[in-house]
Amino acid sequence: SQTIHQWPATLVQPVGSPLSLECTVEGTSNPNLYWYRQAAGRGLQLLFYSVGIGQISSEVPQNLSASRPQDRQFILSSKKLLLSDSGFYLCAWSSTANYGYTFGSGTRLTVV
Amino acid sequence: AQTVTQSQPEMSVQEAETVTLSCTYDTSESDYYLFWYKQPPSRQMILVIRQEAYKQQNATENRFSVNFQKAAKSFSLKISDSQLGDAAMYFCAYRSASNQFYFGTGTSLTVIP
Repeated sequence: SQTIHQWPATLVQPVGSPLSLECTVEGTSNPNLYWYRQAAGRGLQLLFYSVGIGQISSEVPQNLSASRPQDRQFILSSKKLLLSDSGFYLCAWSSTANYGYTFGSGTRLTVV
Repeated sequence: AQTVTQSQPEMSVQEAETVTLSCTYDTSESDYYLFWYKQPPSRQMILVIRQEAYKQQNATENRFSVNFQKAAKSFSLKISDSQLGDAAMYFCAYRSASNQFYFGTGTSLTVIP
């Protein structure tokens, strides 16, 4: 069965520090991968999506970047965090066979 | 571009009663998928139910069912026999034929004991 792992679950980082959030998918090949951000009490904002290794599409210009070094690995990064980067980050995957998204458990990022 | 609208930011229901959450969408496509996701306080996003646009029959998953009106572009979620564990944020989502997803802004459901 397919599973998605996202870590860490919680992160507190100072302003100006780097960021690396990782997401991996098991049990499927060539998934579409997504990073979403959700501010408190708000909806989902698509940040990046990837349809294959090295293929990254950015939806929102920002302080963040994404990479897909392997087929089932998706990384969200920042060189210097801003206070406005605080939020809840969700990784998700989909495929033509899996009609909907399957979400990871999320990372709660607080920038202080 | 496709848009998904949830016009009810907050809803409440008495335990054991039935509640309906509304969702409308805008699209020019004929082939697409619709979903309802639940986000409890843990913030894990959980797929509740999905509907293929080419199917006329409304999807049902236990106490959850949808009223899919394709011509009206409406996709409401009905929760029967509401339970305390149903309290959550509910998101309506649209998946296009090109596998692009669009989410509504969510409806916060409170279940009153």
